[in-house]
Amino acid sequence: EAGVAQSPRYKIIEKRQSVAFWCNPISGHATLYWYQQILGQGPKLLIQFQNNGVVDDSQLPKDRFSAERLKGVDSTLKIQPAKLEDSAVYLCASSRRGPWEIEQFFGPGTRLTVL
Amino acid sequence: AQKITQTQPGMFVQEKEAVTLDCTYDTSDPSYGLFWYKQPSSGEMIFLIYQGSYDQQNATEGRYSLNFQKARKSANLVISASQLGDSAMYFCAMREGVGNQGGKLIFGQGTELSVKP
Repeated sequence: EAGVAQSPRYKIIEKRQSVAFWCNPISGHATLYWYQQILGQGPKLLIQFQNNGVVDDSQLPKDRFSAERLKGVDSTLKIQPAKLEDSAVYLCASSRRGPWEIEQFFGPGTRLTVL
Repeated sequence: AQKITQTQPGMFVQEKEAVTLDCTYDTSDPSYGLFWYKQPSSGEMIFLIYQGSYDQQNATEGRYSLNFQKARKSANLVISASQLGDSAMYFCAMREGVGNQGGKLIFGQGTELSVKP
């Protein structure tokens, strides 16, 4: 079974530019998560989808971050405009049925550097 | 308030020895789950072990065991017979609520483990 795919793996942008990250979860997984991991910290949940509906986006900075999961499969996370403090690794994860699942499967992440 | 605390930024262990990574947590919810994840330098988080707050016995998965002390609110990870491939960041995490009432995963700051040959 293929794992969670993310692209790009690395991205460098100037502040105030826009950037988008893509995630393809494990086939058939209903729940998709986006995490932000700042250097030296643990991941922080930004948004959680159940199929194509948002379950939790309480920690998503909605003035600049947006995410969608059309057709309940792959997902895109966008930042517009980027700030220096957005430099982080953005991790995508999925679980088979719902957020109550014990195991989440993570992708390799996208490392964003904002200059 | 910090919900998950990992007080060891870095740890060293000799190959084939056992090591304990500390984790304390804070919650007033009687139902919660505790998790440990491993993050190698490649970046992906790998699930290691889970302990539910109502589980009577400490969880074990191969060389990993979770030393769950509910009264002390601690959930330490024990790795037996360390291997060079165990060198990585280790994160403790908690989820309040269980089943379909479960909330989000909250991660600690992590402990970097280095295994010496």
